[in-house]
Amino acid sequence: EADIYQTPRYLVIGTGKKITLECSQTMGHDKMYWYQQDPGMELHLIHYSYGVNSTEKGDLSSESTVSRIRTEHFPLTLESARPSHTSQYLCASSEWRGGTSYGYTFGSGTRLTVV
Amino acid sequence: GESVGLHLPTLSVQEGDNSIINCAYSNSASDYFIWYKQESGKGPQFIIDIRSNMDKRQGQRVTVLLNKTVKHLSLQIAATQPGDSAVYFCAERGYQKVTFGIGTKLQVIP
Repeated sequence: EADIYQTPRYLVIGTGKKITLECSQTMGHDKMYWYQQDPGMELHLIHYSYGVNSTEKGDLSSESTVSRIRTEHFPLTLESARPSHTSQYLCASSEWRGGTSYGYTFGSGTRLTVV
Repeated sequence: GESVGLHLPTLSVQEGDNSIINCAYSNSASDYFIWYKQESGKGPQFIIDIRSNMDKRQGQRVTVLLNKTVKHLSLQIAATQPGDSAVYFCAERGYQKVTFGIGTKLQVIP
């Protein structure tokens, strides 16, 4: 049973539309992450958060933005979708204590197609 | 859109044979390592982990080997089955940072 939920599972949307990908976790983890992954390719970290009101950009530049108003919720927003945003977006969370991570839990991902 | 990054290496294995997936890590200070399995269309799932004070750990049909001298990690899958077909990622944990490897695609030939 998943403890981290992503919606929608699949999304096809037209160019120029604003979209928000939802991610929620029920484990009370402080750290949350968004990764972008193209089919058959590696994971790229695009955003992460240490906790409420904390957001940071990841290793890969992204036109998306994130917010962290509640511990359990870490949505990702694209203000104006473009075909270059077509990809799979994976959300993850982890528990950290004393600077040490105790593993990641990933959501099932949102596969976004912009037409 | 145009894909970013490197294409994953592929390992093809006959059903019933053993699989060995390799991973080189970069940080000699990393103290914890994890293997993840990602099936098509799904998020990565935890398989097995190992701490840096160990050199081998066994699970059900899987074994992870750690060689700190050459900074190398391997995942061995015994009697590979069609359900093992997936992408396998290693991850290393340093202070305040977890880094994922590029991943290897395992194809099981029936």
